[in-house]
Amino acid sequence: DTGVSQDPRHKITKRGQNVTFRCDPISEHNRLYWYRQTLGQGPEFLTYFQNEAQLEKSRLLSDRFSAERPKGSFSTLEIQRTEQGDSAMYLCASSSRTSGTFYNEQFFGPGTRLTVL
Amino acid sequence: QKEVEQNSGPLSVPEGAIASLNCTYSDRGSQSFFWYRQYSGKSPELIMFIYSNGDKEDGRFTAQLNKASQYVSLLIRDSQPSDSATYLCAVRDTGNQFYFGTGTSLTVIP
Repeated sequence: DTGVSQDPRHKITKRGQNVTFRCDPISEHNRLYWYRQTLGQGPEFLTYFQNEAQLEKSRLLSDRFSAERPKGSFSTLEIQRTEQGDSAMYLCASSSRTSGTFYNEQFFGPGTRLTVL
Repeated sequence: QKEVEQNSGPLSVPEGAIASLNCTYSDRGSQSFFWYRQYSGKSPELIMFIYSNGDKEDGRFTAQLNKASQYVSLLIRDSQPSDSATYLCAVRDTGNQFYFGTGTSLTVIP
């Protein structure tokens, strides 16, 4: 399967613990996005990378959130000192600059569902 | 705050009818406009995108964009029960950030 993969698919943690999620984009997709989605809402942009460079980060994003993409391939999203309000589905998406689409085609992974107790 | 507004629905149409989904956005600098479909418990999947005023057709789907009115719509012709899902409207700004609406729930009744 050459789609976007995310690990783990589910994570249950206690408030105050740190968690880390991984995203593997489609091979050779150089843009990678992280989103958060809660029930009844659309995905909320968190941050995005072009290759290994983090180009944008949501101004609404707490300092407890950090993301990396060290070699321009997979990415990790870490949440420190988790809070119950962090419970959500965390989605990763990737895209590439192909003829005619110019990064417009984002392919989403299956998501990581985080539950903070 | 850049906003994307959608009627949350639910919208119900009979099988074979045309479903019409609407979306407005606040940022006049928005570059591209998207419609995603999301089945319950699944990730969004792209239906189509549009960046020029007018209509864009892809099979049973037609996206319509009116930048002056800051309005984008999606028409689904010959609706099928398998089209029952939540439809998300999204816009991309000049900073390559994507903003999503809350989605419209569509049910196609056999």
